[in-house]
Amino acid sequence: AAGVIQSPRHLIKEKRETATLKCYPIPRHDTVYWYQQGPGQDPQFLISFYEKMQSDKGSIPDRFSAQQFSDYHSELNMSSLELGDSALYFCASSVRDKTYTDTQYFGPGTRLTVL
Amino acid sequence: AQSVTQLDSHVSVSEGTPVLLRCNYSSSYSPSLFWYVQHPNKGLQLLLKYTSAATLVKGINGFEAEFKKSETSFHLTKPSAHMSDAAEYFCVVSGEGSGNTGKLIFGQGTTLQVKP
Repeated sequence: AAGVIQSPRHLIKEKRETATLKCYPIPRHDTVYWYQQGPGQDPQFLISFYEKMQSDKGSIPDRFSAQQFSDYHSELNMSSLELGDSALYFCASSVRDKTYTDTQYFGPGTRLTVL
Repeated sequence: AQSVTQLDSHVSVSEGTPVLLRCNYSSSYSPSLFWYVQHPNKGLQLLLKYTSAATLVKGINGFEAEFKKSETSFHLTKPSAHMSDAAEYFCVVSGEGSGNTGKLIFGQGTTLQVKP
């Protein structure tokens, strides 16, 4: 079965540089979520999109922005990178149900290292 | 606000013995509860999900969890541990009334070690 695809899998950047992370959801999934997992920490919700509109926002820095495109893929743009942005970034996709209890399927993650 | 607390940061068992990973939740509404597993340098895989149907939920790889509203618990169990079960396990909650947008709130994680 098709899974969530994230690219790149690994990314190394310098401080103050920019990075773009991409997420391709499972076909026919209409909702995308982004999570950040710091070293030794649990994943933290960043932002989500439903039908190309932002549906919720968590602890996402103003330096970060994201969007969902017409083909439902999503991109997380990160500017003015800081050392503390080094983390594993997960994308998850789901089919939104009426009770918002849809199951989220996670991609393999993008490991971002900021030097 | 919703939250989950995983009562053990680290659990060590011998292969072939039972596994118990404990999770308590806090929610003003009927929550949706999940267990996800993360193997080293891997993504998050769904083990099982509770959404107010049967209180005993069976998942993949022989895992199951029981929702106990009176105890606000959702403990994960497996009768017999395998070496391949060694991983990080996250108890997760979602769903808070009309404001719910589906975002997941993770517990702190429990590292399961399986000894030969």
